[in-house]
Amino acid sequence: AQTVTQSQPEMSVQEAETVTLSCTYDTSESDYYLFWYKQPPSRQMILVIRQEAYKQQNATENRFSVNFQKAAKSFSLKISDSQLGDAAMYFCAYRSRMTGGTSYGKLTFGQGTILTVHP
Amino acid sequence: DSGVTQTPKHLITATGQRVTLRCSPRSGDLSVYWYQQSLDQGLQFLIQYYNGEERAKGNILERFSAQQFPDLHSELNLSSLELGDSALYFCASSVAGLAGDTQYFGPGTRLTVL
Repeated sequence: AQTVTQSQPEMSVQEAETVTLSCTYDTSESDYYLFWYKQPPSRQMILVIRQEAYKQQNATENRFSVNFQKAAKSFSLKISDSQLGDAAMYFCAYRSRMTGGTSYGKLTFGQGTILTVHP
Repeated sequence: DSGVTQTPKHLITATGQRVTLRCSPRSGDLSVYWYQQSLDQGLQFLIQYYNGEERAKGNILERFSAQQFPDLHSELNLSSLELGDSALYFCASSVAGLAGDTQYFGPGTRLTVL
């Protein structure tokens, strides 16, 4: 079974600075997707960024980028020019591309990292 | 707004009772997922439906059941409720249920079991 670990329960950053959130995962599969979701105080889960494991290029979405190290099974999220609205719980998630298995559809989440942004 | 709707927003009930949570997916999405978020278990996948049929199953208790109806809305039924079932229950939907599909989450139903 796949597991996702976020070793930083809490992180903080000054507004306009850069912060990196860590995520590691364990899988025996070679083809999968990785995601970062944001959960603000409203509790809504919002997709931030996704990465296909077969792509070597790191995904980027505006101020958000990832550092995907497949061999190390590491998937960190970098937030540049942090804004007050970035304050939230961030979840790293894994999804298998193996069809037919009973866990094909599921997202496996890490424990989350609470990000505080200081003005 | 993700386009996924969930009702009710909050539900307070007693142990031993049964409740039904409802989800309407985004227009055009055929697949629905249910997740449970609790303090001790984190975010856990419960079950997935695609066009009315069960596609994948996760850590769903036998006391819980779900279905997806012909109009594609889904219901999650929780019975013989226990204190530990108190959690935030999310529904998500995606276009086709494929691994690469983005799952769009609803606002959740907060269940409190007293």
